[in-house]
Amino acid sequence: KNQVEQSPQSLIILEGKNCTLQCNYTVSPFSNLRWYKQDTGRGPVSLTIMTFSENTKSNGRYTATLDADTKQSSLHITASQLSDSASYICVVSRIASGTYKYIFGTGTRLKVLA
Amino acid sequence: GAGVSQSPSNKVTEKGKDVELRCDPISGHTALYWYRQSLGQGLEFLIYFQGNSAPDKSGLPSDRFSAERTGGSVSTLTIQRTQQEDSAVYLCASTVDRTANYGYTFGSGTRLTVV
Repeated sequence: KNQVEQSPQSLIILEGKNCTLQCNYTVSPFSNLRWYKQDTGRGPVSLTIMTFSENTKSNGRYTATLDADTKQSSLHITASQLSDSASYICVVSRIASGTYKYIFGTGTRLKVLA
Repeated sequence: GAGVSQSPSNKVTEKGKDVELRCDPISGHTALYWYRQSLGQGLEFLIYFQGNSAPDKSGLPSDRFSAERTGGSVSTLTIQRTQQEDSAVYLCASTVDRTANYGYTFGSGTRLTVV
């Protein structure tokens, strides 16, 4: 079954600290993996997109890693800021009958405290 | 426009009424998706439009849900005889094409509350 699981479900950290969010998937055949940030009341915004051959990709203070062998990805946030408070969603795409399908994780809700 | 525009941003309706949600994708984006996000849940795929191809309706939860995309641009999601379990945020997203090599852009969503 094609699934995307994220952990932790929620996380509270102090401003300035680092954190790592996890995404495990059982999606096949794998096409690519995206991390999205969703602020409260807004639509998700893309942070990174990674294909099978990419191990790491950075976007400012966000660094995503991908291990295609173990089917795991992580999103590392460095020197967190209050504005990082949001839900982070892992999305894995697969190809089925010539069409791309997207499987969404339920997200990790991050709260950064001053 | 510069982004994906959805309207209305909030909709409160009485159970049994019909509602129409609108999505105006980024100009030139051939692929358009509708998703539903219930409280505390992940994003649930509803329907996918790609150019002039027949839409992928495999995610629509019941025959009360329908969607159309006129002229390959604006899309309308219609929910007939709304039920309380239809309460959710309905998100629309568009992307350049069907190759999935590009990120897709979400609208801010329509928060539907059925009372």
